[in-house]
Amino acid sequence: ETGVTQTPRHLVMGMTNKKSLKCEQHLGHNAMYWYKQSAKKPLELMFVYSLEERVENNSVPSRFSPECPNSSHLFLHLHTLQPEDSALYLCASSQEWIVPNKGTGVSVSAYYEQYFGPGTRLTVT
Amino acid sequence: GIQVEQSPPDLILQEGANSTLRCNFSDSVNNLQWFHQNPWGQLINLFYIPSGTKQNGRLSATTVATERYSLLYISSSQTTDSGVYFCAVVTGGGNKLTFGTGTQLKVEL
Repeated sequence: ETGVTQTPRHLVMGMTNKKSLKCEQHLGHNAMYWYKQSAKKPLELMFVYSLEERVENNSVPSRFSPECPNSSHLFLHLHTLQPEDSALYLCASSQEWIVPNKGTGVSVSAYYEQYFGPGTRLTVT
Repeated sequence: GIQVEQSPPDLILQEGANSTLRCNFSDSVNNLQWFHQNPWGQLINLFYIPSGTKQNGRLSATTVATERYSLLYISSSQTTDSGVYFCAVVTGGGNKLTFGTGTQLKVEL
């Protein structure tokens, strides 16, 4: 396998079901992301994991629960979803670098480009 | 937050034609990427171009960071170029990509 893979590619679930989306990256990156793409809307960032720690949660409802057990794997656990959660869910990864600032003495993070998986098309009935 | 606008929203071309897609952004950016989303939803990386000009085959891109825009050029278009083209930017710290609304391209025979 190369790049970023996602399973399943398609998922239909009822509002009372519990399911999980899986993402795996084979690029040696250390940052991973979940994005949501709804019809007629721009892609929206849901979660960011950097060095296996969650660093950003864009006010996503608690019925979405991410998990990042290591730098190569990312999960999105789903429970009691609503029909409006039907969308394409995309996973991405990138490399993060820690850049020391000699002037301030404060290190900052720098990132390179993000690579995306093929997505999971989710339908909630 | 930063605003990312793409134009035109829709574009229909005859095979072999050239086109220019534009991305305007409202604030200074650290990173900028162009993607092609195929009909199956896969986002394909085209360019990582926070500034300057790059070329890859029939595609090229230019970002003028000081004037807050980027251009994607497609030459000798083919039907396989059809899909949605997105511009996405990162501003400030972190690596949050903010996507534009996209340009829907259809290339006809």
